[in-house]
Amino acid sequence: DAKTTQPNSMESNEEEPVHLPCNHSTISGTDYIHWYRQLPSQGPEYVIHGLTSNVNNRMASLAIAEDRKSSTLILHRATLRDAAVYYCLSAGGTSYGKLTFGQGTILTVHP
Amino acid sequence: KAGVTQTPRYLIKTRGQQVTLSCSPISGHRSVSWYQQTPGQGLQFLFEYFSETQRNKGNFPGRFSGRQFSNSRSEMNVSTLELGDSALYLCASSLVVLGDTEAFFGQGTRLTVV
Repeated sequence: DAKTTQPNSMESNEEEPVHLPCNHSTISGTDYIHWYRQLPSQGPEYVIHGLTSNVNNRMASLAIAEDRKSSTLILHRATLRDAAVYYCLSAGGTSYGKLTFGQGTILTVHP
Repeated sequence: KAGVTQTPRYLIKTRGQQVTLSCSPISGHRSVSWYQQTPGQGLQFLFEYFSETQRNKGNFPGRFSGRQFSNSRSEMNVSTLELGDSALYLCASSLVVLGDTEAFFGQGTRLTVV
């Protein structure tokens, strides 16, 4: 399984952009990069995923490095509701059928 | 459409007992996976089922087992409960095998072993 490395915590102010980094240097060529977030007392929630190209959806953007060894989740305008633990992980390919969660990044959003 | 439903939401059991947890995936989803979440170990993969077949298993003792029915509903069973089995058990469903598709998680079952 590809190992991911994320900062333990990050802070942001409301309505400012947030860039959450992730290193996944051992990812294989067929593994997709996924991001999930978990709010207190809830199950993880899907945020975004991609393989090689940058991806956008209504929640966030995912910027994937050309060598695929790192990626960045971008929240364009953080809100208080975005305060959560954000997990970067790989799925598919060598991670067939499962998601391998790391410790994640605790995002704090200040009003 | 309805999300992933896990029952019960909360459960208190005594050491040595066994427990069965249930997961109803999103309609049409064929893959169901289970995770254990504890403060010390974080989220850990238990097993994954697709079309009633277990295709992947995490590093847990044989006391942890599961199955999937023809309607894709899944159950996991823990026998001879230990205090360390106290955790939030999460179920996730996806349309097909995880990769270029997202997983949808339920709210979890909070198991407390006393």
